[in-house]
Amino acid sequence: GAGVSQSPSNKVTEKGKDVELRCDPISGHTALYWYRQRLGQGLEFLIYFQGNSAPDKSGLPSDRFSAERTGGSVSTLTIQRTQQEDSAVYLCASSPLAGAGGEQFFGPGTRLTVL
Amino acid sequence: RKEVEQDPGPFNVPEGATVAFNCTYSNSASQSFFWYRQDCRKEPKLLMSVYSSGNEDGRFTAQLNRASQYISLLIRDSKLSDSATYLCVVNYGQNFVFGPGTRLSVLP
Repeated sequence: GAGVSQSPSNKVTEKGKDVELRCDPISGHTALYWYRQRLGQGLEFLIYFQGNSAPDKSGLPSDRFSAERTGGSVSTLTIQRTQQEDSAVYLCASSPLAGAGGEQFFGPGTRLTVL
Repeated sequence: RKEVEQDPGPFNVPEGATVAFNCTYSNSASQSFFWYRQDCRKEPKLLMSVYSSGNEDGRFTAQLNRASQYISLLIRDSKLSDSATYLCVVNYGQNFVFGPGTRLSVLP
């Protein structure tokens, strides 16, 4: 079946512009996560959605970052006024279960380059 | 202290060797533990969950030591295709914390 998809696969933007990254989770998965991975670094948690509950935004690095999940399915991560340090791969993952025991299925990521 | 720590490596081993990775975690309330594999410029994929009693999947064996708060992964008879970064993942509640990963290169 279809896995997690993300678009665009690559995005090059100029400093100061806004970008939107999209994630389509696996159908029926209630949990959705966004991570950031800088070159040669580990995954950095950004935000977590679970069903209709309020999202856990504790990982968002600044107020320039925001995310929405519409209808419990598709999610959009928005970065306003991009900075060069925002350059990274942004990974989305979904899981059929929240928390313990819930394997995460990752999308291929969006590689963001801020010039 | 970071929540999840791993030796970044790289571990360079010949084909057929046995190699072991350790991972330590700081949160004693951690509930679930996983090893993920990440190939270069690819997304992470689940390798195996780690159970309290230890578990084995073919050439891979995972162990958990709650008292000392560490997890291990043993790879026997390593193959060229095992070359990747291995990520230790610790879960408590809805939080998944990824370690920085250990890079393995299996050499012919």
